[in-house]
Amino acid sequence: GIQVEQSPPDLILQEGANSTLRCNFSDSVNNLQWFHQNPWGQLINLFYIPSGTKQNGRLSATTVATERYSLLYISSSQTTDSGVYFCAVLYGNKLVFGAGTILRVKS
Amino acid sequence: NAGVMQNPRHLVRRRGQEARLRCSPMKGHSHVYWYRQLPEEGLKFMVYLQKENIIDESGMPKERFSAEFPKEGPSILRIQQVVRGDSAAYFCASSPTGTSDQETQYFGPGTRLLVL
Repeated sequence: GIQVEQSPPDLILQEGANSTLRCNFSDSVNNLQWFHQNPWGQLINLFYIPSGTKQNGRLSATTVATERYSLLYISSSQTTDSGVYFCAVLYGNKLVFGAGTILRVKS
Repeated sequence: NAGVMQNPRHLVRRRGQEARLRCSPMKGHSHVYWYRQLPEEGLKFMVYLQKENIIDESGMPKERFSAEFPKEGPSILRIQQVVRGDSAAYFCASSPTGTSDQETQYFGPGTRLLVL
């Protein structure tokens, strides 16, 4: 099956700093999503981004499908950005998740 | 516009009991997916259902686990004779048609199952 790898596994930032999270996948995909799991465990859809670039406030994402990777950019990080960031690709009927990046933003 | 609803949000069971987890998809969505998140791990696919049909159950454990999505009412994930290893967060997601690989799956808040 498809492999989804995320890096770094964990990250500590000072409030206001920028960061880039990476997601590599081992096969061609037509559907890639980024999620944020907040400290209360809720999964929040951030982006549906099979290719190209999207922006939503301080967050943006870029997927280069031909090179099988996606990047999530967080600018001017805030403590509320803390949590786990997952990327997931659709493989058949199922979303295959990476192991996530644990982000902690310190004030 | 209500999102995906799951209940209960927290469930405590003793070993050997049954756990029933419910999921109501978003309005207009007829496709439901269940995922499990074991402690300190990512989410893993369990089963994909349409109304009255199981489409893909390749991620379901072979024993004790079953799922249904009846014509009326929520989807149910049922775990019989729970064991401590079943303790996890169980997430439900829904999508409009399930036939396009360009659809977003929207996730519910999850049910946290604790087996004592």
